[in-house]
Amino acid sequence: AQTVTQSQPEMSVQEAETVTLSCTYDTSESDYYLFWYKQPPSRQMILVIRQEAYKQQNATENRFSVNFQKAAKSFSLKISDSQLGDAAMYFCAYRRNNNDMRFGAGTRLTVKP
Amino acid sequence: GAVVSQHPSWVICKSGTSVKIECRSLDFQATTMFWYRQFPKQSLMLMATSNEGSKATYEQGVEKDKFLINHASLTLSTLTVTSAHPEDSSFYICSARPGARDGYTFGSGTRLTVV
Repeated sequence: AQTVTQSQPEMSVQEAETVTLSCTYDTSESDYYLFWYKQPPSRQMILVIRQEAYKQQNATENRFSVNFQKAAKSFSLKISDSQLGDAAMYFCAYRRNNNDMRFGAGTRLTVKP
Repeated sequence: GAVVSQHPSWVICKSGTSVKIECRSLDFQATTMFWYRQFPKQSLMLMATSNEGSKATYEQGVEKDKFLINHASLTLSTLTVTSAHPEDSSFYICSARPGARDGYTFGSGTRLTVV
């Protein structure tokens, strides 16, 4: 079974600083997708970034980037120049091909002004 | 971008009654939709996979007779919580994938309170 582990229940970062959220996963598959979703207080799930396992290059979306280590089954999210609006729950997620998506327990990010 | 519309956004019902939640893909067809449940301060837990024109696939431990799923068209899936009880109070979220390589798009969720 695929499992996703987020070992940091809470993280805090100073505005304009950089923070890294950790995620590890367990799978025996070679082809899969990894995602980071943001859930603000509205509870709307917002896709932040995604990574295809077959791609060696780490995905980047503006201030958000990932460090994908396939052999180590690690998928961390780096948020640069943190903004107050980045405060939210962040969920790491795994999806195998056309199957459903499995989520980690989440990390609550606080941004201090 | 792809939009998934979910209604209602919140509902309060009495114990023993049934509640229907709708999930629509507005600008794409979704042969498969997913229903998640989220308790306060917890992660999203997959309840079932809704398949257009066929029976839903339920996760272990989810009562299919209690959580009825109907996916009658390529743009609409419904979740009916039958004979609701206070322990069914939760946040329910649906999702669908616009394309094979896309991430899932989520509805805005439904907060169900059973009193």
